[in-house]
Amino acid sequence: KQEVTQIPAALSVPEGENLVLNCSFTDSAIYNLQWFRQDPGKGLTSLLLIQSSQREQTSGRLNASLDKSSGRSTLYIAASQPGDSATYLCAGLSGSARQLTFGSGTQLTVLP
Amino acid sequence: NAGVMQNPRHLVRRRGQEARLRCSPMKGHSHVYWYRQLPEEGLKFMVYLQKENIIDESGMPKERFSAEFPKEGPSILRIQQVVRGDSAAYFCASSPPGNHEQYFGPGTRLTVT
Repeated sequence: KQEVTQIPAALSVPEGENLVLNCSFTDSAIYNLQWFRQDPGKGLTSLLLIQSSQREQTSGRLNASLDKSSGRSTLYIAASQPGDSATYLCAGLSGSARQLTFGSGTQLTVLP
Repeated sequence: NAGVMQNPRHLVRRRGQEARLRCSPMKGHSHVYWYRQLPEEGLKFMVYLQKENIIDESGMPKERFSAEFPKEGPSILRIQQVVRGDSAAYFCASSPPGNHEQYFGPGTRLTVT
């Protein structure tokens, strides 16, 4: 059974800093891994999806990496802005079930 | 191309009533998933459906909960005889055939009084 853990649970940084969010998973037979953003009271916005055959994906100031052997993924945010404040969730898709297993999220606050 | 649509966005039910949550997938998407986010908890998978078929319902509570995705119309998540513990945000996601990337709707926030 897949389990996904995110560290830290909360993070506060000053504007302009580069930061890394961590995600670990127990089942290395992962099909893909998605990073999402969730604003308070809102839905999920997909940020990046990394297929199991890929090592990283980039979109603007965001870069996500995947290391299946160690069961880890990271989300790197460059030059953080107050608008980046949100909860960031990682989720792994395993096997044929097509169900995403979510971590509990990292609540990010970027201070102006 | 409109995103995944869910309605209602907010739903208030009294204990014992029925709740019906609707999800219209993105155009061209034939796979629908329902997830639940309880207060102060992470998202948990409930059910995965394709048109007219339930593929995986391993995350659904055994009683009072059912889901369908008919040939025509939206997917429906139905909760009978709601209890306070059903209060949560219910999210629907969809994906196209052959692609595992899931796109999420805005969610329905159910409050049971």
